Amino acid sequence: EDQVTQSPEALRLQEGESSSLNCSYTVSGLRGLFWYRQDPGKGPEFLFTLYSAGEEKEKERLKATLTKKESFLHITAPKPEDSATYLCAVIRKGGSEKLVFGKGTKLTVNP
Amino acid sequence: NAGVTQTPKFRILKIGQSMTLQCTQDMNHNYMYWYRQDPGMGLKLIYYSVGAGITDKGEVPNGYNVSRSTTEDFPLRLELAAPSQTSVYFCASSPIADTQYFGPGTRLTVL
Repeated sequence: EDQVTQSPEALRLQEGESSSLNCSYTVSGLRGLFWYRQDPGKGPEFLFTLYSAGEEKEKERLKATLTKKESFLHITAPKPEDSATYLCAVIRKGGSEKLVFGKGTKLTVNP
Repeated sequence: NAGVTQTPKFRILKIGQSMTLQCTQDMNHNYMYWYRQDPGMGLKLIYYSVGAGITDKGEVPNGYNVSRSTTEDFPLRLELAAPSQTSVYFCASSPIADTQYFGPGTRLTVL
């Protein structure tokens, strides 16, 4: 069974204090790994898709990386507006149409 | 381009009542999905569709029904509402079985 585990469950940072969120996955053949941002009371907003180990993608203060077992979402010099829950999901090769989501990491950035 | 829209935003139901959650997308996506999100539990797939006339069960389908008569619309029907169906419901769409784009959600309370 495909599994996604995110850590930590919650993270508090001071503005400007860089850190990383972890997404560990177990899937029989990874087709893609996805990062989403979710603000309170809203739907998940797509951030990145990664397809192969070694791949990296960046958007503003966020950088996502992928290995064969896990993905990291690096946040550089975060601002309070980066506060949100970050969700990770995977999709398996071989005809699967379904994403499997982790439970998310709630990030709070204090000014 | 509105993306994925959901109605209503909020609803309170009494036990045993029925209702339909509406989902419409204007991106001509073939794939559509219904999820529920409970606090601290991540997103659970209820039903999905790979095209008009084709639907399939996800992880937690009991107590729900879907239909897909057009590419744009994917309504979710709750029959005989129960307190366990209190949750936030998200609809999503995707052009292929890959990156999904989410609606703003429907918050449902069953009393």
